[in-house]
Amino acid sequence: EAGVTQSPTHLIKTRGQQATLRCSPISGHTSVYWYQQALGLGLQFLLWYDEGEERNRGNFPPRFSGRQFPNYSSELNVNALELEDSALYLCASSTRYILQHMNTEAFFGQGTRLTVV
Amino acid sequence: GESVGLHLPTLSVQEGDNSIINCAYSNSASDYFIWYKQESGKGPQFIIDIRSNMDKRQGQRVTVLLNKTVKHLSLQIAATQPGDSAVYFCAEKVPRGSTLGRLYFGRGTQLTVWP
Repeated sequence: EAGVTQSPTHLIKTRGQQATLRCSPISGHTSVYWYQQALGLGLQFLLWYDEGEERNRGNFPPRFSGRQFPNYSSELNVNALELEDSALYLCASSTRYILQHMNTEAFFGQGTRLTVV
Repeated sequence: GESVGLHLPTLSVQEGDNSIINCAYSNSASDYFIWYKQESGKGPQFIIDIRSNMDKRQGQRVTVLLNKTVKHLSLQIAATQPGDSAVYFCAEKVPRGSTLGRLYFGRGTQLTVWP
């Protein structure tokens, strides 16, 4: 069974440009999560999508946005790139999150290394 | 757990010894905890999880212990191998409110196994 796949593996952009990162969840998973892992700072929650809708958002500016497609794959868009956006962007997926009734495992992809120069 | 600071705690063990990695979590309402292993240049890999209604759970060579009284989580790795060298993160999930759907990650511990 294929795991979570992310593309591209590496991405180099200049300040002010836009970056688009892609994620394909594990088959059968409907929830997709995006995390930013900056060097030495651990994983910071960005966004959560489930069934095509944004369900929760971390403390990031609006230039970080995304969407989830009908096939449950997802895109993360970062506009007006800044040097501080350089990080490993991780996508995770899980089965549908059922409130208060089920704890679901989240499985991560290998990440997209975004470098802003 | 909190993702703070630039300096990761480190643990160095000899091959074959047992390792214990500790994590203090922050929210008493957290109902689910996960340990992840992250090797250099790779995404976090699920190791083992535990629900808040349990105190202990065992996997293959790994055991997770949960002490809700002091909000402490530990990961025990038996007979540590060089391939276990990585950064280990604990993550907690709060089941409701604005934190819904997100995992809170600890700062990570760098485990180094030497022969």
